[in-house]
Amino acid sequence: DSGVTQTPKHLITATGQRVTLRCSPRSGDLSVYWYQQSLDQGLQFLIQYYNGEERAKGNILERFSAQQFPDLHSELNLSSLELGDSALYFCASSPTSFSYNEQFFGPGTRLTVL
Amino acid sequence: AQRVTQPEKLLSVFKGAPVELKCNYSYSGSPELFWYVQYSRQRLQLLLRHISRESIKGFTADLNKGETSFHLKKPFAQEEDSAMYYCALSGDTDKLIFGTGTRLQVFP
Repeated sequence: DSGVTQTPKHLITATGQRVTLRCSPRSGDLSVYWYQQSLDQGLQFLIQYYNGEERAKGNILERFSAQQFPDLHSELNLSSLELGDSALYFCASSPTSFSYNEQFFGPGTRLTVL
Repeated sequence: AQRVTQPEKLLSVFKGAPVELKCNYSYSGSPELFWYVQYSRQRLQLLLRHISRESIKGFTADLNKGETSFHLKKPFAQEEDSAMYYCALSGDTDKLIFGTGTRLQVFP
């Protein structure tokens, strides 16, 4: 499968813990985007990386951080987890850094904080 | 501020009926607008974008700058159109701003 992949599919953890979500973009795509989808919130843009560099930032909490590695995969780190962080986290990729390009989405990681 | 509003959480129609999913945006410049769709158990995917001016699966969307709208329309809904639809805006940043989505249910 040459599409966007995300691991794990599901994650259940406790408040105060730290987790890492992983995303591998489509082959050839240089941009990775992270989104959070909570109930009734739609897709909230968190952060974008392009070729290893942070490109744009959205409503990302200070407890959250991300990075893109030389092989272009990306990780989203969520720390000091709170109940309200429970959500679906999507990763998307695109060939360039421009948001008007089509973004290709992964299947998402469902995070449950108990 | 850039914002996308989809006023309807749920839209239910019968097969063969016309469909219009509403999308309004807030942006002072020239926007790039998109409709993304998520079918059951599938990934979110691009349905259409206004710059392409194309019809995909019978759906069209026209950008109305005067009304700041980008409503998605289809003259005759099909059961397979049942899905979650998201309107999205790309403005003067590299962010894509999504609306909260509208669930379309097409009954037989």
